[in-house]
Amino acid sequence: EAQVTQNPRYLITVTGKKLTVTCSQNMNHEYMSWYRQDPGLGLRQIYYSMNVEVTDKGDVPEGYKVSRKEKRNFPLILESPSPNQTSLYFCASSSRGSWGLNEKLFFGSGTQLSVL
Amino acid sequence: KNEVEQSPQNLTAQEGEFITINCSYSVGISALHWLQQHPGGGIVSLFMLSSGKKKHGRLIATINIQEKHSSLHITASHPRDSAVYICAVRPRGFGNEKLTFGTGTRLTIIP
Repeated sequence: EAQVTQNPRYLITVTGKKLTVTCSQNMNHEYMSWYRQDPGLGLRQIYYSMNVEVTDKGDVPEGYKVSRKEKRNFPLILESPSPNQTSLYFCASSSRGSWGLNEKLFFGSGTQLSVL
Repeated sequence: KNEVEQSPQNLTAQEGEFITINCSYSVGISALHWLQQHPGGGIVSLFMLSSGKKKHGRLIATINIQEKHSSLHITASHPRDSAVYICAVRPRGFGNEKLTFGTGTRLTIIP
């Protein structure tokens, strides 16, 4: 089954304690991306990756790191989490297609992060 | 002003009604996505449009590139259609990199 697997679903942590949210896809997609979702603000892009070892900042990258060492995995790293990073996080992947045509996005099930 | 505006923000309707959700955007785009988010948070891709119209079951999505506007229609609405519907655009000039999202329309269908 085609899927994006994101873990954990829920995470409560304290300020400053490094954490990693994992994301893995089984569809051989080149493109992967991380988003955060906050009430009233909608989804906002944190980082994206066009392929292995190719990553770039989205709209809200401050306080986050990513890596893309393998095509299937795209972990999100919070080196020193702060309370303003409390949010619902989603990972997504898609195939590039031709000029984005026939692109379909696949989302993970989300990670609800609370930073105390 | 957000690049992507959705209306209405909230919509409550009776089962069986025809539903329309609107999305307007302010930049030139190469593609527009409609997404569905159910309570519990999971997000599912419904359509990707670059022109014209697409239909899948009771869902129809249209886009007017000149007017920078898209609509999502649901025919014969059902309580299981209750969800948040999100519009997202890919600005022209970007490949797959950038997506800008609307804040969503919360749809509630009453039996």
